[in-house]
Amino acid sequence: AQSVSQHNHHVILSEAASLELGCNYSYGGTVNLFWYVQYPGQHLQLLLKYFSGDPLVKGIKGFEAEFIKSKFSFNLRKPSVQWSDTAEYFCAPMFRKLIWGLGTSLAVNP
Amino acid sequence: SQTIHQWPATLVQPVGSPLSLECTVEGTSNPNLYWYRQAAGRGLQLLFYSVGIGQISSEVPQNLSASRPQDRQFILSSKKLLLSDSGFYLCAGSGGRNEQFFGPGTRLTVL
Repeated sequence: AQSVSQHNHHVILSEAASLELGCNYSYGGTVNLFWYVQYPGQHLQLLLKYFSGDPLVKGIKGFEAEFIKSKFSFNLRKPSVQWSDTAEYFCAPMFRKLIWGLGTSLAVNP
Repeated sequence: SQTIHQWPATLVQPVGSPLSLECTVEGTSNPNLYWYRQAAGRGLQLLFYSVGIGQISSEVPQNLSASRPQDRQFILSSKKLLLSDSGFYLCAGSGGRNEQFFGPGTRLTVL
């Protein structure tokens, strides 16, 4: 069965630190990949997506993610986080439907 | 742009009472629509999805049902609420590229 795993459940960083959130999925076929973000008190919203082409995709607010097919991974990165990046982050590969990770709660201390 | 409207934002209901949560979509036609339940530390659980009017697929057996009477309307219902139905319910829609856009959610508390 298709599944997704987010490696970090809670991450605490200081401003300007670099961020990498791991995401691995299990499925050998074609897959679309998404990262969603939920800021405190706000709707879930799309952060970035990968359908095909360049495996390094850029999203909003300076986030990027790299699709590594051989590793079944789609890790989220940001070189320098800000306090406003405090949020919950969800990795969601799309097979027949979106499969949601459990989420990673990121807290950025000013 | 696509927008999902959900109401109410919060709801407190007694055990055994009925439930009706409504979701409407703006800015797109013939969307796929979804009902999720979000629990802290558990991510999003897909409850129902619909690819068109009157077409409902249930992902998990439970005390809830869904209906889609119009293209842009999706309703989550229950005849008799259980304590375990408490949670945060999200409606979502998607268009051609499978990106999903979400509503603000409804916090349901069953007492």
